[in-house]
Amino acid sequence: EVQLLESGGGLVQPGGSLRLSCAASGFTFSSYAMSLVRQAPGRGLEWVSTISGSGATTYYTDSVKGRFTISRDNSKSTLYLQMNNLRADDTAVYYCAKRADSTGYWFTLDYWGQGTLVTVSS
Amino acid sequence: QSALTQPPSASGSPGQSVTISCTGTSSDVGGYDYVSWYQQHPGKAPKLMIYDVGKRPSGVPDRFSGSKSGNTASLTVSGLQAEDEADYYCSSYGGSNNLKFGGGTKLTVL
Repeated sequence: EVQLLESGGGLVQPGGSLRLSCAASGFTFSSYAMSLVRQAPGRGLEWVSTISGSGATTYYTDSVKGRFTISRDNSKSTLYLQMNNLRADDTAVYYCAKRADSTGYWFTLDYWGQGTLVTVSS
Repeated sequence: QSALTQPPSASGSPGQSVTISCTGTSSDVGGYDYVSWYQQHPGKAPKLMIYDVGKRPSGVPDRFSGSKSGNTASLTVSGLQAEDEADYYCSSYGGSNNLKFGGGTKLTVL
């Protein structure tokens, strides 16, 4: 059974940093691109970042470029998101999600974790 | 990177059909057959319901179907059931390694 478990969320002041983790199990982690999608309170979904299975290729939405870094440790089946210079509008539940088995494309996501809440506030 | 446009709400009675639209541009919805739909119940993670415009993952009831015409994609839920009440989000590949989501539609089963 595929399981994705996010951790690392919490309250941080504007300008601060936080590192999210997503522990994966139930599939061959290194074979799949992984993505992070966030959802601000009461709002819709927003794609944040994606990393290829090998970790060699990364993509980011414009609003986090230069501030967030996605990475992975395939030996630990864990995805990371290092978030620096956090802003109030980064406040959201952050979900990690797996590339769907049914396609070869990173932008179709078939399993999602339960999310971890990041709150940026003074 | 504008979001895709969805109606904020939709509703139908049990057994009826309802269609939710998702409007983008020729750079996203209209340019690629890579539209997906996700169902999200309150406090839960999103669930993939439709991918590549009209394909259903294993385990998704065939009451759910997807289509696309020009820059607008649609999700149709036939034979509405109480458990279908949820938020629905469309997504589309937006080119240049970018993924866009719609603002979400709250489906109410009357």
